[in-house]
Amino acid sequence: AQKITQTQPGMFVQEKEAVTLDCTYDTSDPSYGLFWYKQPSSGEMIFLIYQGSYDQQNATEGRYSLNFQKARKSANLVISASQLGDSAMYFCAMREGIQGAQKLVFGQGTRLTINP
Amino acid sequence: EAQVTQNPRYLITVTGKKLTVTCSQNMNHEYMSWYRQDPGLGLRQIYYSMNVEVTDKGDVPEGYKVSRKEKRNFPLILESPSPNQTSLYFCASSRFWAGSGTNEKLFFGSGTQLSVL
Repeated sequence: AQKITQTQPGMFVQEKEAVTLDCTYDTSDPSYGLFWYKQPSSGEMIFLIYQGSYDQQNATEGRYSLNFQKARKSANLVISASQLGDSAMYFCAMREGIQGAQKLVFGQGTRLTINP
Repeated sequence: EAQVTQNPRYLITVTGKKLTVTCSQNMNHEYMSWYRQDPGLGLRQIYYSMNVEVTDKGDVPEGYKVSRKEKRNFPLILESPSPNQTSLYFCASSRFWAGSGTNEKLFFGSGTQLSVL
């Protein structure tokens, strides 16, 4: 079974609009962490935001926020006031705690295109 | 500047010709890992290392070798590359990989685009 699922292969959004990128995960480990990375066309992987399974509040980093719904096992990335520079591939990833393997597990990615 | 450095950035080779992709980090990180990225599959782990002289297989280790003789370096070796190893490769590191420390993020290198003809 997929541990991380990103159901949107591609999204197109108008500049200045907010955008939500979906991510669902599957784990039985009570301790885990969820990450979002951005991959622009230049190819590098840029860390955006982190949410821990025991965190009481949704994580925020500037224009990025994470809509964490633990019961639904979803960790959607919200980008407010999108900009042309937000066009990129976005990956959701999970790290499990005690029960997990020594790796980040990645989703398939969502390609976001911001239209002017 | 704290970084993970991979070389080369691009590499075109032929089937069977041994190659090495180098990876070095200057952050004194204990944990290092190699991933490959393929369309529709995301990133998949090839090998990882918890510390010097400690390496282990990830999800897709076939056809690859690694070594960790020094803390900063973690080269990826393809002894006899094949076309199905054409991919984008990433080296990554983090301070450590303890079971309960779920907030340790990975720092990634810039990637190596490998084409095997």
